[in-house]
Amino acid sequence: EAQVTQNPRYLITVTGKKLTVTCSQNMNHEYMSWYRQDPGLGLRQIYYSMNVEVTDKGDVPEGYKVSRKEKRNFPLILESPSPNQTSLYFCATAAYNEQFFGPGTRLTVL
Amino acid sequence: SQQGEEDPQALSIQEGENATMNCSYKTSINNLQWYRQNSGRGLVHLILIRSNEREKHSGRLRVTLDTSKKSSSLLITASRAADTASYFCATDAGETSGSRLTFGEGTQLTVNP
Repeated sequence: EAQVTQNPRYLITVTGKKLTVTCSQNMNHEYMSWYRQDPGLGLRQIYYSMNVEVTDKGDVPEGYKVSRKEKRNFPLILESPSPNQTSLYFCATAAYNEQFFGPGTRLTVL
Repeated sequence: SQQGEEDPQALSIQEGENATMNCSYKTSINNLQWYRQNSGRGLVHLILIRSNEREKHSGRLRVTLDTSKKSSSLLITASRAADTASYFCATDAGETSGSRLTFGEGTQLTVNP
């Protein structure tokens, strides 16, 4: 079954404690992306990757890092999380302009 | 600022009625897409309309695109309670088609049984 998986699905952490949210896809797509969703702001793109070792900033990249060492994985790294990064995060992959979203990771930073 | 803006923010209708949601955007686009999101879950792609198309159908969905007005509408006919969800438009305006999608804030549709 074609899918995008994210882990963890829920995370509560404290300010400054480094964390990584993993994203994996089994569709062999070159494109992957991270979004955050906040009430009243919709979805905003954090980073995207057109292929292995190719990453670009989206609209809200500050405070985040990504890496794309292999096609199937695209982890999102928060080196020093802050409360304003409390949000619902979605990983997505895409082919032929259609995006496929993961189930989401709800992150709370205290 | 948001490229796509949906209107209305919330819509409540009875089962069997039609639901119309609108989306406006600011810049030239390669295509416009509509997505659906059930509460707290990932978005699901519904339909894509290219900049050179004016209307597209998929089952009970009808999408129109007016590039001169920079607007699109999504019509769901004969709505069902299961259509209750948030609906987002997303514009693809990147240099490489498919590289950047900008989402609106969504329309919350409630279909009452």
